Amino acid sequence: AQSVTQLGSHVSVSEGALVLLRCNYSSSVPPYLFWYVQYPNQGLQLLLKYTSAATLVKGINGFEAEFKKSETSFHLTKPSAHMSDAAEYFCAVSVHTDKLIFGTGTRLQVFP
Amino acid sequence: GAVVSQHPSWVICKSGTSVKIECRSLDFQATTMFWYRQFPKQSLMLMATSNEGSKATYEQGVEKDKFLINHASLTLSTLTVTSAHPEDSSFYICSAPHGQVRETQYFGPGTRLLVL
Repeated sequence: AQSVTQLGSHVSVSEGALVLLRCNYSSSVPPYLFWYVQYPNQGLQLLLKYTSAATLVKGINGFEAEFKKSETSFHLTKPSAHMSDAAEYFCAVSVHTDKLIFGTGTRLQVFP
Repeated sequence: GAVVSQHPSWVICKSGTSVKIECRSLDFQATTMFWYRQFPKQSLMLMATSNEGSKATYEQGVEKDKFLINHASLTLSTLTVTSAHPEDSSFYICSAPHGQVRETQYFGPGTRLLVL
């Protein structure tokens, strides 16, 4: 069975600082991995995805993530945080099916 | 592309009434759609898989008779919360897969249900 673990339910950074949101996955076969962002009272927006091509994936809004098989990780980073990045971030995994398994989410706060 | 809409965005109803939520794929066809439930400050919980032209597949612990799902066309799935009670109050989100191999889920904006 597949699972996703997001370390840290809350992450706080200063504006302009590096953003690092951690995600580790468990899967017996090569997975597809996703990062979604959710703003208050809204649905989920796809940030980026890994589908077995390049291990470094660039997404929208300056975010990127690197698939590391040896570490079973797919951490999300952004070099410089912006106030508008404050939101809930979800890591998710699927194994070549439509069904997504979500992590518990990480709330990102950005301070001026 | 790959836009999913939901209607209504907000609904308030009295206990015992039924509420219907629509999920539409606006610019692509979706033979499968998914319904999630999200409690405040929690992750999304998959409730069921909606299949066009056939019965929905429910996750363990989700009451089929309580949450009726109909997927009558390639662009529309509906979730009906029957005889709603306050504990059904939640944020309901749908998604539909799209992409070269349907690998990516695109999510609707969600429907906030409040049962009084």
